[in-house]
Amino acid sequence: QVQLKESGPGLVKPSETLSLTCTVSGGSIRGYYWSWIRQPPGKGLEWIGYIYYNGDTNYNPSLESRVTISLDISNSQFSLKLRSVTAADTAMYYCARVEYSGNWYTRFFDYWGQGSLVTVSS
Amino acid sequence: DVQMTQSPSSLSASVGDRVTITCRASQSISNYLHWYQQKPGKAPSLLIYGASSLQSGVPSRFSGSGSGTDFTLTISSLQPEDFATYYCQHSYSTPFTFGPGTKVDIK
Repeated sequence: QVQLKESGPGLVKPSETLSLTCTVSGGSIRGYYWSWIRQPPGKGLEWIGYIYYNGDTNYNPSLESRVTISLDISNSQFSLKLRSVTAADTAMYYCARVEYSGNWYTRFFDYWGQGSLVTVSS
Repeated sequence: DVQMTQSPSSLSASVGDRVTITCRASQSISNYLHWYQQKPGKAPSLLIYGASSLQSGVPSRFSGSGSGTDFTLTISSLQPEDFATYYCQHSYSTPFTFGPGTKVDIK
């Protein structure tokens, strides 16, 4: 059974960089896309971006100028960095595996981490 | 970007009721539409992918239909564990976007 677990600071100061790591266990990181998704308190879900095991990335244009997703295959981890954060970046951050079925366009999130709450505050 | 809307935003229902939630895309997305269930304090979990394919382990009372711009999620007989918020998500193009959610609570 694939498991994902987020880790990182729960509090980040405004203008600083949010950094989270997702550790994948129970399955290989190779051959899949891996994604970050966030959810502000009481609100809906926002896709941040994904990374393929070969390092290719795709980001949400709304965050692209501030986001970097990277991969550490040897440790079965992928990471999120979000620069110049503000209070609007306060959210639960989830990592998830992207699966696809039948064709490239049918892409969905089949395994999720438990989430990591990050608060942006001085 | 493809925008997703859902209706209703919330509903109250009783155990045993048939529940239908609608998701609409701002342009045709074929059947690249997926449904998730989220319970309070938990991560979302996948229910339906490709508009109508049931994810392994999901009870058969959940079903999905639709193509193009209009999609539905149906719970044939609501169970106590189904009270949750439901989200649709498209994968026609990036950025992937989610609907705003439909909260199902107890009448």
